[in-house]
Amino acid sequence: DAGVIQSPRHEVTEMGQEVTLRCKLISGHNSLFWYRQTMMRGLELLIYFNNNVPIDDSGMPEDRFSAKMPNASFSTLKIQPSEPRDSAVYFCASLGPSGNTIYFGEGSWLTVV
Amino acid sequence: GQNIDQPTEMTATEGAIVQINCTYQTSGFNGLFWYQQHAGEAPTFLSYNVLDGLEEKGRFSSFLSRSKGYSYLLLKELQMKDSASYLCAVRDGSNDYKLSFGAGTTVTVRA
Repeated sequence: DAGVIQSPRHEVTEMGQEVTLRCKLISGHNSLFWYRQTMMRGLELLIYFNNNVPIDDSGMPEDRFSAKMPNASFSTLKIQPSEPRDSAVYFCASLGPSGNTIYFGEGSWLTVV
Repeated sequence: GQNIDQPTEMTATEGAIVQINCTYQTSGFNGLFWYQQHAGEAPTFLSYNVLDGLEEKGRFSSFLSRSKGYSYLLLKELQMKDSASYLCAVRDGSNDYKLSFGAGTTVTVRA
């Protein structure tokens, strides 16, 4: 099975622009997580979905952030408008069938200048 | 809320043993995980403990004491490729799959 696939891998954008990060889940996995990682704050959970439904979005920083899961295998995380403090690595992850292992994608490295 | 503590960094010599401790205070508990993350890469799963005791997997072992809110990851026969960040993570509810991560321990293996 292919792993969790994220795109873009790297993005540099100007402050105020819209950023859309994409994630494709491992086939058969039905829980999806969006994490953000920075040096200062470590790995933080932003939102997670189960069976396409958002279960907990308490980690979403503010209204500029939104996430969707239109079908069982795909999700987007959007930042509009982006700010320099949003610069981070954004990881998408899915939960394995055992319910005990989360598999991470390679991450999207975002720089907002 | 979650409070997960682990040392910031550790250094050891190739071939040696290193023990990374993790203490946690969480509102509930349904498993503790260890992940390895090499610089510039994604975290990869190492181990999972939900019951007290030691789980051994090759050169890596993980221990859990739920009453003490304590775990450790033991790395034996250290190799240069083991230089990475090691993340302790706790799952806090029986129907809640989300993991809360510690800040990570950077292990540097020297020749």
